Amino acid sequence: DSGVTQTPKHLITATGQRVTLRCSPRSGDLSVYWYQQSLDQGLQFLIQYYNGEERAKGNILERFSAQQFPDLHSELNLSSLELGDSALYFCASSVGLSGGYEQYFGPGTRLTVT
Amino acid sequence: GIQVEQSPPDLILQEGANSTLRCNFSDSVNNLQWFHQNPWGQLINLFYIPSGTKQNGRLSATTVATERYSLLYISSSQTTDSGVYFCAGLNSGGSNYKLTFGKGTLLTVNP
Repeated sequence: DSGVTQTPKHLITATGQRVTLRCSPRSGDLSVYWYQQSLDQGLQFLIQYYNGEERAKGNILERFSAQQFPDLHSELNLSSLELGDSALYFCASSVGLSGGYEQYFGPGTRLTVT
Repeated sequence: GIQVEQSPPDLILQEGANSTLRCNFSDSVNNLQWFHQNPWGQLINLFYIPSGTKQNGRLSATTVATERYSLLYISSSQTTDSGVYFCAGLNSGGSNYKLTFGKGTLLTVNP
């Protein structure tokens, strides 16, 4: 158990819908990262927050947004869902901002868009 | 960003065999991690090893940062070792703190 929690574990929804994925980082970790794992793209970085502020963006679609709340939990919002958004979404956390800290991954949320 | 290449892409072993997985990266790294993704999709942290050698039970890893590669050794493999092994690196030049993952090595251990 990495100490990172994600809910829900599974999500099945229809095209055009909006969903919210939730992540709680390890106790004491200030950085939260979101990654997407799909069959065609592999594991890709989406976005990073540190202590409530967005710090880095990767290949995140405009239909996707995220935020980190004062209690440090984070939410990833996916809207106008398409079939291609079906993927495993991981949240990770680390204690610091810079790259020299180990990132710990949550169990993931498996999103299926039908 | 950096490029991460893993080899071999697939590996089939008999229980009890040893194996070596390799990860090459295109630039210097501040962070190098190995993960095991089990059949349920969970990513399990194996090693945080930007340089040097570490051991954890039957697993060990070595990163030679100056030559830009890392090796994961699995000894006396068990069927529960099956899954995909990912290497991921990070070069924080330019304040880029994302991990870049390789495509993984699919390991199958047969009883």
